[in-house]
Amino acid sequence: ELKVEQNPLFLSMQEGKNYTIYCNYSTTSDRLYWYRQDPGKSLESLFVLLSNGAVKQEGRLMASLDTKARLSTLHITAAVHDLSATYFCAVDKGRTGGGADGLTFGKGTHLIIQP
Amino acid sequence: DTGVSQNPRHKITKRGQNVTFRCDPISEHNRLYWYRQTLGQGPEFLTYFQNEAQLEKSRLLSDRFSAERPKGSFSTLEIQRTEQGDSAMYLCASSLYRNTGELFFGEGSRLTVL
Repeated sequence: ELKVEQNPLFLSMQEGKNYTIYCNYSTTSDRLYWYRQDPGKSLESLFVLLSNGAVKQEGRLMASLDTKARLSTLHITAAVHDLSATYFCAVDKGRTGGGADGLTFGKGTHLIIQP
Repeated sequence: DTGVSQNPRHKITKRGQNVTFRCDPISEHNRLYWYRQTLGQGPEFLTYFQNEAQLEKSRLLSDRFSAERPKGSFSTLEIQRTEQGDSAMYLCASSLYRNTGELFFGEGSRLTVL
């Protein structure tokens, strides 16, 4: 059974600081996704990582994937308050290939950025 | 295209009642997924359809839960004889098979069972 673990689960940081969220998963997969969720809202897709070594950047967020280590990171640079949210990583179960047979999500990292 | 649409957005019901949620996916997407999310947790997979075929059901989906996608477009999720443990956000997502696998989520339907 695929397990996805995120850490930390809770992070409080100050504006202007850098930090990294880690996502480990238990079985072979080369498709990993990052989502953002604001309180009471649905999930917004941030990054799609489809191969080993993939790196994507959008503004102050950068995501990478190491399929050999079964590890993805979400790096936050010079954090700003607007980035406060819960961030989820999700891994494609990938049993039949060619697209997600559904995703398995981590528990999420609740990020609070204080002025 | 307005994205994935779900209704009702909120449903409060008494234990033992039946409830039904509807999901309208992005029009060209042939895969549709149902997830359940409880407070402080990540979404948990319930079931998914490719066109009108239900291809997988999670062990979380007890006999009281049934999902349909009769014409390969919208889907319904029915919960019979609701229990307090069914209280959660029910999320629908859609995707295009053999694309990136990225799921596009709706706003969710929040169920409260009293």
